[in-house]
Amino acid sequence: DVKVTQSSRYLVKRTGEKVFLECVQDMDHENMFWYRQDPGLGLRLIYFSYDVKMKEKGDIPEGYSVSREKKERFSLILESASTNQTSMYLCASSLYLGSPNTEAFFGQGTRLTVV
Amino acid sequence: DQQVKQNSPSLSVQEGRISILNCDYTNSMFDYFLWYKKYPAEGPTFLISISSIKDKNEDGRFTVFLNKSAKHLSLHIVPSQPGDSAVYFCAASEGGTSYGKLTFGQGTILTVHP
Repeated sequence: DVKVTQSSRYLVKRTGEKVFLECVQDMDHENMFWYRQDPGLGLRLIYFSYDVKMKEKGDIPEGYSVSREKKERFSLILESASTNQTSMYLCASSLYLGSPNTEAFFGQGTRLTVV
Repeated sequence: DQQVKQNSPSLSVQEGRISILNCDYTNSMFDYFLWYKKYPAEGPTFLISISSIKDKNEDGRFTVFLNKSAKHLSLHIVPSQPGDSAVYFCAASEGGTSYGKLTFGQGTILTVHP
């Protein structure tokens, strides 16, 4: 079974703090993604990575950055947390770009609250 | 610009009946569609998918229908069970090098009553 593990289930941080969300996958997948889920908005893509040290912006990258130093690990960084970044954050991984019929596998999510 | 839309925020169904969840998309480059199921405080789990070269895909109680001309897909669950109560997300991806990058709809909360 594919396993995508996010380091924290729940986090509470203060406005202005630098926040790190960690994600690890164990299936040697090339692609990794960070989404946030908000009521009425579904899942929105923040950043994704298709290889080590490679990253591309998703639909809502502002206020976030990412790091992928190893294939199995993808980190999301909130440079200076703000209350509008309170959300459920979901990490996902999938097989290499170009492979057909590929689904993404998700972690359990991190509920981040910024106060 | 919402490229994938689920216009029904919620659906309530009696156990044993059919549940039909709908999804519309605007991007004609989408050629692979998926449905995910999500329970509270858990990550989404893959349910069923369909390629644009097909118009139907079936897996047990779950069937997905694709109408490319209408840019519409639907998920049928027959018979519905209380354990199916969850949020269902429709997702789509483009061809070429975009596989794996998914665009999601807003989700539909399905409640199946015993």
